[in-house]
Amino acid sequence: QVQLVQSGAEVKKPGASVKVSCKASGYTFISFYMHWVRQAPGQGLEWMGIINPSTGETNYAQRLQGRVTMTRDTSTNTAYMELGSLTSEDTAVYYCARGVVGVDTPFDHWGQGTLVTVSS
Amino acid sequence: QPALTQPRSVSGSPGQSVTISCTGTSSDVGGYNYVSWYQQSPGKAPKLIIYKVNKRPSGVPDRFSGSESVNTASLTISGLQAEDEADYYCCSYGGTYTWVFGGGTKLTVL
Repeated sequence: QVQLVQSGAEVKKPGASVKVSCKASGYTFISFYMHWVRQAPGQGLEWMGIINPSTGETNYAQRLQGRVTMTRDTSTNTAYMELGSLTSEDTAVYYCARGVVGVDTPFDHWGQGTLVTVSS
Repeated sequence: QPALTQPRSVSGSPGQSVTISCTGTSSDVGGYNYVSWYQQSPGKAPKLIIYKVNKRPSGVPDRFSGSESVNTASLTISGLQAEDEADYYCCSYGGTYTWVFGGGTKLTVL
């Protein structure tokens, strides 16, 4: 069965960077997109960006451009999301979510989420 | 400010039907037939329940249905059950490989 297993919780200081991993299993990694979505405490979902694991091509939400980088390692079927210049507003649960190639079926399976806390 | 507008809360009694709206613009909801809906229980990851406006993934009960008119999409849950109590989010393709979410709606089963 499809599984997306994310790395553990992180605590970071303002100005630092965080890198979250998402290991995929149960399907062909390069045949599906990977999205990243975050959720601040008590808030809604925010789409952060997408990576095509087959090509490495990415597209990021405009408000995160310049701070976010999404990469992948096809040898370990793992996607990564790195966010820099952290502020308290980046405190959130970060999810990876698989997307069917194309645009009509995003987020059909989700990781368990990774809590990132930004605090001095 | 979320790109798509949802009511903050809705409620209904067991057995009743409820509808959650999701209003966008011609740049997202109205421009593409690619609205999806997600159910999120407290402390859990979201779960896909509707895609491409009105398609249900396998395993999702047919009590959940979706529709769209102009710039507004809707999720209807019929035969409400206690287990349906959760937060619901809509999402639309926004063009050039971007996606936008609604602010979420809390469903209370009375």
